[in-house]
Amino acid sequence: ILNVEQSPQSLHVQEGDSTNFTCSFPSSNFYALHWYRWETAKSPEALFVMTLNGDEKKKGRISATLNTKEGYSYLYIKGSQPEDSATYLCAFSAGNNRKLIWGLGTSLAVNP
Amino acid sequence: NAGVTQTPKFQVLKTGQSMTLQCAQDMNHEYMSWYRQDPGMGLRLIHYSVGAGITDQGEVPNGYNVSRSTTEDFPLRLLSAAPSQTSVYFCASSLTGMKQFFGPGTRLTVL
Repeated sequence: ILNVEQSPQSLHVQEGDSTNFTCSFPSSNFYALHWYRWETAKSPEALFVMTLNGDEKKKGRISATLNTKEGYSYLYIKGSQPEDSATYLCAFSAGNNRKLIWGLGTSLAVNP
Repeated sequence: NAGVTQTPKFQVLKTGQSMTLQCAQDMNHEYMSWYRQDPGMGLRLIHYSVGAGITDQGEVPNGYNVSRSTTEDFPLRLLSAAPSQTSVYFCASSLTGMKQFFGPGTRLTVL
């Protein structure tokens, strides 16, 4: 059974703090790893899609790394702002299958 | 572009009623998917399509039907609604099956 696990489940930080979350996934038959940002009352929005071991992606203050051999990805937020408050989801696909297996997400609250 | 649109936004059904959730996209995406979101559970794939005329089952297909007669539309049909189908439903589309674009969601309650 393919399973994606995210930690921590929730996180409260102060404005200006840097933080990171983890996504763990099966390392065999890897195809792609996705990160999405989901604000309350909105829909998930794609942050990154990564396919290569060692891949690093960056968008503004948010970056992500990928280790396909050991089956984990980190999402980093530098200098958190209240507008970063959201749930961050990761999803994994295996083989040539485009079906995504989703984690439960990490809920981030940034206090001003 | 309107992106991915879903109707209705909210719906209340009685057990045994049928209905269709509409999903449309104007980005000429081949891949379309239906997910349900329940408290304490990740997004779960119901059905998906890799192009017009092609559909396949996801993780939780029972009680739902789909069709893909055009590239733009991917309706989800509930044949006989049950309380266990109370959920928030998201439609998503993708050009290559990778980056997903999500619709605004439909909140369904089955009494």
